[in-house]
Amino acid sequence: SQQGEEDPQALSIQEGENATMNCSYKTSINNLQWYRQNSGRGLVHLILIRSNEREKHSGRLRVTLDTSKKSSSLLITASRAADTASYFCATGRAGKETSGSRLTFGEGTQLTVNP
Amino acid sequence: GAVVSQHPSWVICKSGTSVKIECRSLDFQATTMFWYRQFPKQSLMLMATSNEGSKATYEQGVEKDKFLINHASLTLSTLTVTSAHPEDSSFYICSAAPGQGETQYFGPGTRLLVL
Repeated sequence: SQQGEEDPQALSIQEGENATMNCSYKTSINNLQWYRQNSGRGLVHLILIRSNEREKHSGRLRVTLDTSKKSSSLLITASRAADTASYFCATGRAGKETSGSRLTFGEGTQLTVNP
Repeated sequence: GAVVSQHPSWVICKSGTSVKIECRSLDFQATTMFWYRQFPKQSLMLMATSNEGSKATYEQGVEKDKFLINHASLTLSTLTVTSAHPEDSSFYICSAAPGQGETQYFGPGTRLLVL
């Protein structure tokens, strides 16, 4: 079942502005990951934050995690038209007999960056 | 590195036929592979988790006799949609996890259209 809820469902901004997307989840996690998906394509891994971390940066991306509130946010600074895509959070729980985390995806945010 | 391929990238078939989708890890060995399904403008739903050499673990509500998964080697998993019907039309995405760590690497997806 999908446990991640993301808001907003859709976000439209101008190039150069910052974009913030939020994700909430329900159960305990080992990690939370953010992915980007261009229309009709596969997923691109953006960043992983572990349950014992509170903030992580990667280039123009900043991710926060608040395990007490079971929420995470993804901030994209100085957005570009090429950032237009769907963004998904996914919560990871380590399986007993599997490698990699068993991921549960949120509903996604459709970001449109207008030139 | 860490490239996952899927074949075919798209397939159109008649109702009642079976369709096989291949997922390959090209430059690493994948102890675990995951299969997801995505409907238009929706999120990814985990269908099943497979470990090399053992039976796949299916998510609740996913028919194992309908969606046959074989993970015969450390670099190849296949998903066969048996007796496909129009409601099986969807975007199927696989991911592969190396032996250690939390990261999954996603394939580009296979779009299935059942007429």
